[in-house]
Amino acid sequence: QQQVKQSPQSLIVQKGGISIINCAYENTAFDYFPWYQQFPGKGPALLIAIRPDVSEKKEGRFTISFNKSAKQFSLHIMDSQPGDSATYFCAPKAAGNKLTFGGGTRVLVKP
Amino acid sequence: DSGVTQTPKHLITATGQRVTLRCSPRSGDLSVYWYQQSLDQGLQFLIQYYNGEERAKGNILERFSAQQFPDLHSELNLSSLELGDSALYFCASSARGGSYNEQFFGPGTRLTVL
Repeated sequence: QQQVKQSPQSLIVQKGGISIINCAYENTAFDYFPWYQQFPGKGPALLIAIRPDVSEKKEGRFTISFNKSAKQFSLHIMDSQPGDSATYFCAPKAAGNKLTFGGGTRVLVKP
Repeated sequence: DSGVTQTPKHLITATGQRVTLRCSPRSGDLSVYWYQQSLDQGLQFLIQYYNGEERAKGNILERFSAQQFPDLHSELNLSSLELGDSALYFCASSARGGSYNEQFFGPGTRLTVL
């Protein structure tokens, strides 16, 4: 049973546009909700994360929106830039520090 | 650069063989994690060690094993290799093994089983 469902699988956005990626989870034991960014040939790197007692967190052009009752959280990339072209993963964390990765969203920002 | 190093970068081997992947965590990090990334399974957590002891297990096959040494580096051993084991293997480290500790990922080892 897939614990974390991420959508869309890929998206293309124009420079300056908004990218929105969604993540739905089933495990109510998740207690930390990060998004990771991965460039080709590199390992994932933490982009932004939110705790379940907060509904929104913004860091620069990146915002996480969290809906605990719906068991969903999303990543918004404002003013998307070509350098944002990468694969993004939601990876909610359960007990200890174990991450459960979504399937990934490949984002392409066209200049 | 995350500060986590992994060797080798690439590994090509044959079915039935055994390989060892090595990971050196960031300086001062006590916890090491291993992940497998493949096209069909995505990114999956395999196993976690904290200060030399196994802390958590994920979808790790019985043919795979890992350990963390006193100097905190870790090795992932893959034996009786099958074609389906071809994947990217990532190591990550964090300061401690508990909650809210950011995991820093290494560049990965790409394993190809022919």
